[in-house]
Amino acid sequence: GAVVSQHPSWVICKSGTSVKIECRSLDFQATTMFWYRQFPKQSLMLMATSNEGSKATYEQGVEKDKFLINHASLTLSTLTVTSAHPEDSSFYICSARHQGDYGYTFGSGTRLTVV
Amino acid sequence: QKEVEQNSGPLSVPEGAIASLNCTYSDRGSQSFFWYRQYSGKSPELIMFIYSNGDKEDGRFTAQLNKASQYVSLLIRDSQPSDSATYLCAVDTGRRALTFGSGTRLQVQP
Repeated sequence: GAVVSQHPSWVICKSGTSVKIECRSLDFQATTMFWYRQFPKQSLMLMATSNEGSKATYEQGVEKDKFLINHASLTLSTLTVTSAHPEDSSFYICSARHQGDYGYTFGSGTRLTVV
Repeated sequence: QKEVEQNSGPLSVPEGAIASLNCTYSDRGSQSFFWYRQYSGKSPELIMFIYSNGDKEDGRFTAQLNKASQYVSLLIRDSQPSDSATYLCAVDTGRRALTFGSGTRLQVQP
């Protein structure tokens, strides 16, 4: 149980275009999901907390107009990187907390490359 | 001071040895502590969590927590080459999202 599915697993896009990443909790309801970004050889940095039915909470320094988060249902959160630039190339990972235990389950991650 | 600190490594141990990974945290109000393993290019996977002082064992893994010293450790017994990965310490400070350390890279030499 407690599976989080993330798609796509990798994407290459042109500079200036937008990319949408989906995160689904498959066998549990997640009122809150978290979006992280990880650059090579660095740790996970929290970008934002996605709350079902309300606005996301962004961490300091994360541009909310660039990284659009929508959490329209209890099982789906999406992250849209708008007007992507090469410096946005990174590994994006979503996470949700399963109430059955103390574990935070992670999606498989999305490798974004902006060319 | 970083909220969660880990030695970046690499920590190199021979196959069959015990690997000891350490983590310190700054927020005394932290409630739960997690160890994740991350292979290169992959997402983190949960190994163990601990929230009470003392030891918690699961197979070859033992997590140790000392809240007075703000210290968490992970011991891996009988280390295998497949254990070679980056180990992330994460802390639940009550802000709902986990705070991660920078990770320790473990190399198990065959």
